[in-house]
Amino acid sequence: DSGVTQTPKHLITATGQRVTLRCSPRSEDLSVYWYQQSLDQGLQFLIHYYNGEERAKGNILERFSAQQFPDLHSELNLSSLELGDSALYFCASTRGGGPTEAFFGQGTRLTVV
Amino acid sequence: AQSVSQHNHHVILSEAASLELGCNYSYGGTVNLFWYVQYPGQHLQLLLKYFSGDPLVKGIKGFEAEFIKSKFSFNLRKPSVQWSDTAEYFCAVSYNNAGNMLTFGGGTRLMVKP
Repeated sequence: DSGVTQTPKHLITATGQRVTLRCSPRSEDLSVYWYQQSLDQGLQFLIHYYNGEERAKGNILERFSAQQFPDLHSELNLSSLELGDSALYFCASTRGGGPTEAFFGQGTRLTVV
Repeated sequence: AQSVSQHNHHVILSEAASLELGCNYSYGGTVNLFWYVQYPGQHLQLLLKYFSGDPLVKGIKGFEAEFIKSKFSFNLRKPSVQWSDTAEYFCAVSYNNAGNMLTFGGGTRLMVKP
């Protein structure tokens, strides 16, 4: 168990819908990273939050957004879903500061039908 | 943009065979290097990491990796694989000028035949 919790584990939804994925980092970690894992794109960085503030954006679509709350949990919002958004979405947490390893959650498998 | 290349997409080995998985990264300054493993249906778990110091790094489950700066490489090795090593392996890099954001390679699926 990495200590990072993601809910839900599986999500099936229709095109055009909106979903929210949730991530609770390890208790001592201030940073949350979101990654998307798909068959064609591999594992790609989406967005990074540190202590409630957005720090970096990667290949994140405008239809996607995220936030980190005062209790440090984070949510990734995906809207106007398309078939191609079907993927495994991971969050990872780190303490922040200098170089350190990331701890990954179990992921949320999103299927858009 | 920074990139990470893993040369082998699929590897099939018999138990007790030796393993070497290649990983090369693009230059982007000071790097931190990782190998993660993903067992079927599970999350990414850290096998080993390199930040600085001895370029030969030992990780969990008998894995090791060698950082060769001149070749921009961080190859993963294991002298004798077991059936339980069947998994997907990801090389990842973070650059000191980009926080702990990870750039991943495409992954290598390893199948170990009993």
